[in-house]
Amino acid sequence: DAGVIQSPRHEVTEMGQEVTLRCKPISGHDYLFWYRQTMMRGLELLIYFNNNVPIDDSGMPEDRFSAKMPNASFSTLKIQPSEPRDSAVYFCASSLPSSGGRNEQFFGPGTRLTVL
Amino acid sequence: AQSVAQPEDQVNVAEGNPLTVKCTYSVSGNPYLFWYVQYPNRGLQFLLKYITGDNLVKGSYGFEAEFNKSQTSFHLKKPSALVSDSALYFCVPALNDYKLSFGAGTTVTVRA
Repeated sequence: DAGVIQSPRHEVTEMGQEVTLRCKPISGHDYLFWYRQTMMRGLELLIYFNNNVPIDDSGMPEDRFSAKMPNASFSTLKIQPSEPRDSAVYFCASSLPSSGGRNEQFFGPGTRLTVL
Repeated sequence: AQSVAQPEDQVNVAEGNPLTVKCTYSVSGNPYLFWYVQYPNRGLQFLLKYITGDNLVKGSYGFEAEFNKSQTSFHLKKPSALVSDSALYFCVPALNDYKLSFGAGTTVTVRA
């Protein structure tokens, strides 16, 4: 298996522009997670999906952020409009279902976003 | 609720020496604990987990962790560290609702 795939690996954009990050989970994994990592705040869970349905989006920082999962093999995280404080590494992860969420999550390589 | 503490921000060891990364936990009920590692400029990788059963858990890359209920600890260990083990290590409690709570982690530096 190729693992979790994220694109692009690096994104540089200007403030105010729309940014779309993409993720392909591991085939057969029913759970998909979006995280953000910064030096100041560490690794934060933004949102997660089960069977393409958003379950918990309490970590999404504000309305500028939105995430979708149109099918089992694809998810997007969109920022519109982007701001310099959104600069971070964004990770996607997926996992198999289990009782109580006790299966390990497999992380993608991340997208390093820089907003100028 | 489940929470963990990694008391050391940094651990420095010489290559070939034993490596220990400490983690203590505070939970109500049975703990479910994971260790993840993040190599420089890369995503996180799962190392091992404790759910139930044997207190000694073996994981990837020669790592193991011992679950100690009396000391409420889940320390990560490797008998002989490699320079390539230099990374950021996270002890992570698994919450019942699929959320993993990542703290600041422990930075391990293995010197040649």
